[in-house]
Amino acid sequence: QSVLIQPPSASGTPGQRVTISCSGSSSNIGSNTVNWYQQLPGTAPKLLIYADNQRPSGVPVRFSGSKSGTSASLAISGLQSEDEADYYCASWDDRLNVVVFGGGTKLTVL
Amino acid sequence: EVQLLESGGGLVQPGGSLRLSCAASGFTFSSYGMNWVRQAPGKGLEWVSTISSSGDSTYYADSVKGRFTISRDNSKNTLYLQMNSLRADDTAVYYCAKGGGTFPKYYYGMDVWGQGTTVTASS
Repeated sequence: QSVLIQPPSASGTPGQRVTISCSGSSSNIGSNTVNWYQQLPGTAPKLLIYADNQRPSGVPVRFSGSKSGTSASLAISGLQSEDEADYYCASWDDRLNVVVFGGGTKLTVL
Repeated sequence: EVQLLESGGGLVQPGGSLRLSCAASGFTFSSYGMNWVRQAPGKGLEWVSTISSSGDSTYYADSVKGRFTISRDNSKNTLYLQMNSLRADDTAVYYCAKGGGTFPKYYYGMDVWGQGTTVTASS
């Protein structure tokens, strides 16, 4: 059981907007920033969103992040077939003194 | 080009040892904290360990504490993971990742990842 809780799966059709949630606690999301990673099939993870809502250079603007209290969300607008991947949230946990990951969400583009 | 290249993976018997290496290039290695993250077959990402830029501070996941040791050689731009007393559940792809921002919270995320090296602990 992961410390950060994500839905195991999500889906949408091309052009739709989908959101992926990440639920934590006061010792992780509630007091530290959240980062999101995208892992395309057979490849290494890639940083998608950092510091709750910032996009690294090269990440399309249709990817956005938000946070409220002890929960965070990743939104993908204008869904494209190449967005089909696994998505992970992560944060530092002040009580455990470790980096904690969510269990991952498999996004399917129908 | 910023790059991380892992090596040292392989097949090892349970109870055995292995040392992974991660060669860094394209950035000032000695200025950044570094991480190891693993992924068991068909499973999600699991953070393993992190080390400060100077190497004088480290953190470990409970699952590897006392068995794994993270270290670095800034003169060689290389990160290491010494793995002892390996178990079947240590079988995974091991990634090294550069930390962005202040160690160990990395508010800017793990912004560069290697391609991974596979460790299989099996008899």
